[in-house]
Amino acid sequence: DGGITQSPKYLFRKEGQNVTLSCEQNLNHDAMYWYRQDPGQGLRLIYYSQIVNDFQKGDIAEGYSVSREKKESFPLTVTSAQKNPTAFYLCASSIGWRSFTNTEAFFGQGTRLTVV
Amino acid sequence: QKEVEQNSGPLSVPEGAIASLNCTYSDRGSQSFFWYRQYSGKSPELIMSIYSNGDKEDGRFTAQLNKASQYVSLLIRDSQPSDSATYLCAVTMIKAAGNKLTFGGGTRVLVKP
Repeated sequence: DGGITQSPKYLFRKEGQNVTLSCEQNLNHDAMYWYRQDPGQGLRLIYYSQIVNDFQKGDIAEGYSVSREKKESFPLTVTSAQKNPTAFYLCASSIGWRSFTNTEAFFGQGTRLTVV
Repeated sequence: QKEVEQNSGPLSVPEGAIASLNCTYSDRGSQSFFWYRQYSGKSPELIMSIYSNGDKEDGRFTAQLNKASQYVSLLIRDSQPSDSATYLCAVTMIKAAGNKLTFGGGTRVLVKP
């Protein structure tokens, strides 16, 4: 089955710890995205990547880091510098720059991160 | 000014009526436009995409795009209680660093039986 897999579904972090959220896709998509969603809010872009070994800061990149070593994988690290990390994190992918149409993004099931 | 703006709602509509949702965007170079539906606690799912000016219909949904006015809308005909959800407008902006997919804050829709 083709799709996007995020893990874990729920994650608890102690204050001061770094945690890494996994995102894997087997859709052969070039573009991948990470979003944060707070209760009752829309999606805010953290980082995005159009090709392997390249990524760009989104609107709220501070306190987060990413890597794109493989086309299929785009892990997100929430560092201790992120002061309020409790949120719902969503990973998405799309066909990217290769097409001007059919560029819709598809989402994983999300990871709910809670600081304890 | 936010890059993509929506009225947060809630938009309350009676069952069987038409729900009308609006979205404006700031970047004239935006290329692709999407509507997603998100149920509470779930990830967004695509319901419509539109790339050129005019209307696009898919079942009970119609998306309308006006690039000159930087405006995209979604109509839901014959609204059902199962349509109660948050609707997210998304826009792809062409940047030198790559295509940036930006979402609005969402409009919460409540369909009352």
